[in-house]
Amino acid sequence: GAGVSQSPRYKVAKRGQDVALRCDPISGHVSLFWYQQALGQGPEFLTYFQNEAQLDKSGLPSDRFFAERPEGSVSTLKIQRTQQEDSAVYLCASSLAHGANQPQHFGDGTRLSIL
Amino acid sequence: AQSVSQHNHHVILSEAASLELGCNYSYGGTVNLFWYVQYPGQHLQLLLKYFSGDPLVKGIKGFEAEFIKSKFSFNLRKPSVQWSDTAEYFCAVYGGSQGNLIFGKGTKLSVKP
Repeated sequence: GAGVSQSPRYKVAKRGQDVALRCDPISGHVSLFWYQQALGQGPEFLTYFQNEAQLDKSGLPSDRFFAERPEGSVSTLKIQRTQQEDSAVYLCASSLAHGANQPQHFGDGTRLSIL
Repeated sequence: AQSVSQHNHHVILSEAASLELGCNYSYGGTVNLFWYVQYPGQHLQLLLKYFSGDPLVKGIKGFEAEFIKSKFSFNLRKPSVQWSDTAEYFCAVYGGSQGNLIFGKGTKLSVKP
């Protein structure tokens, strides 16, 4: 079946531009996570949605980062006034429900490069 | 805060060699532990997980991991690696109330044919 879909796969932007990254989770999955993976590092948690509710945004590095999931399915991660340190792979994961016994399914990620 | 350490950044093995990748976690209470694999050009995939019970966990593709509470370790093992095991391996712990995973920095495994 279809997995987690992320678009675009690659995004190049100039410093100061705004970008929007899209995540289409597996149909019916309640939980949705965004992670940021810098070069040579493991993924780091950004934010968590349960349906349309953003229950945790403690990992967002600054107020330039904003995420939404208005209808409880597709989610968008927006970065305003991008900076070079925002260059990373942004991963989206979804799970059927909340809980450690619910495996998280990851998308291929969006590789963001800020020039 | 919980954290995960993976000691090996890059491991190079020949086919049929045995593999052990180290993983240590910081939290002393109940933990849920995972190993994920990322093959070149593919997304992260779950290899195996430990929640409770038998500390020796078997996963897909012949991988296994042993949870040793006294050592705060969850090392990944495979008796005989194949070229197709070339990938990056991530150890992770479940973050609890947030529901997120906390990952180590990853170990890149290169298997020479």
